[in-house]
Amino acid sequence: AQTVTQSQPEMSVQEAETVTLSCTYDTSESDYYLFWYKQPPSRQMILVIRQEAYKQQNATENRFSVNFQKAAKSFSLKISDSQLGDAAMYFCASLYNNNDMRFGAGTRLTVKP
Amino acid sequence: DAGITQSPRHKVTETGTPVTLRCHQTENHRYMYWYRQDPGHGLRLIHYSYGVKDTDKGEVSDGYSVSRSKTEDFLLTLESATSSQTSVYFCAIGDGAETQYFGPGTRLLVL
Repeated sequence: AQTVTQSQPEMSVQEAETVTLSCTYDTSESDYYLFWYKQPPSRQMILVIRQEAYKQQNATENRFSVNFQKAAKSFSLKISDSQLGDAAMYFCASLYNNNDMRFGAGTRLTVKP
Repeated sequence: DAGITQSPRHKVTETGTPVTLRCHQTENHRYMYWYRQDPGHGLRLIHYSYGVKDTDKGEVSDGYSVSRSKTEDFLLTLESATSSQTSVYFCAIGDGAETQYFGPGTRLLVL
């Protein structure tokens, strides 16, 4: 079974600065997807970014980008120009075989004004 | 936002009572999922469905059952609730090996 590890329970960043959240995963599969989800205090799970494992190019969505290192099984999220609204729990997740999605324990991000 | 609703949004019940949570979608997605979220564990898959009347177990399925009689509805049942099932329950939908979209969650407290 896949496992996902987020080694940073909490992170903080100054508004307008850049922060990187770490994620590692363990899988024997060759075809899978990786995700970052954001969970604000409302508890709604919001998709931030998605990466297909077969693509070498790192995914980017506006201020959010990933550093996908397949050989190292690493999938970090970089948030540029951090905003107060970015404060939330962030979950890394992996998906394979259509239905087996595994989540990390989450990283709580605080944004300081 | 994807059209997913969950009901009820909050529920308090007593140990030993049956509880049913409902997930309803308006997106006509084939796949539906139930997760639970507990501190320190992220989200864990309970059961999922890949079509009407087609369901399978997830990582933490013990003590739970599901049913899907219509494309749009996916029910999660706790036959006899226990305190260890106190959690936040999320429904999600997807159309295959793609992104899963989550509902707003149901907070369940079992006393």
